Amino acid sequence: AQSVTQLDSQVPVFEEAPVELRCNYSSSVSVYLFWYVQYPNQGLQLLLKYLSGSTLVKGINGFEAEFNKSQTSFHLRKPSVHISDTAEYFCAVRAGGYQKVTFGTGTKLQVIP
Amino acid sequence: EAGVVQSPRYKIIEKKQPVAFWCNPISGHNTLYWYRQNLGQGPELLIRYENEEAVDDSQLPKDRFSAERLKGVDSTLKIQPAELGDSAVYLCASSLVPGGEYETQYFGPGTRLLVL
Repeated sequence: AQSVTQLDSQVPVFEEAPVELRCNYSSSVSVYLFWYVQYPNQGLQLLLKYLSGSTLVKGINGFEAEFNKSQTSFHLRKPSVHISDTAEYFCAVRAGGYQKVTFGTGTKLQVIP
Repeated sequence: EAGVVQSPRYKIIEKKQPVAFWCNPISGHNTLYWYRQNLGQGPELLIRYENEEAVDDSQLPKDRFSAERLKGVDSTLKIQPAELGDSAVYLCASSLVPGGEYETQYFGPGTRLLVL
């Protein structure tokens, strides 16, 4: 079975400051990893995904994430946040093949002007 | 290119009433998903279709929930009768290919259901 843990339910950060949203996963097999963003009253939008290859993945809106197999982590980072980044961020994992995607409980990023 | 369309966006009903949600996936996407997102939680898969076939409905509460995807395009999700605990956001997603590294799920805006 696979699972995802997002330990931080809320992360406040000042505008233009850096941010890191943490994600840890567990799986007995190789995985694909995803970060989604959900703006208020909207569906989820894919930010980035790790499939294989380089462990540093760059996504949209200036976000990036680093896959660390030894620590089973896939933390999301942005060097300088904007007010518009205020949203909820979900980490997700899927084992290879046709397994379902399992989502974490989400982290609400609140950017303070 | 139009995204995943869902309707209605909001629905308020009394318990024991029936309710239905509709989803139109991105054109050409053969795989369709229904998720339920409870408050403060991530989405949880209810059912996955590949064309007309429900290939994973293990998490669908079959005593009150039903879904169909006639002609392999649009889909409806029904709850009858609704219970208080069904209050949640119901998300529809679609993808071009099922599974594999090329699968990317595109989500609709969701239907927010409140059962009173």
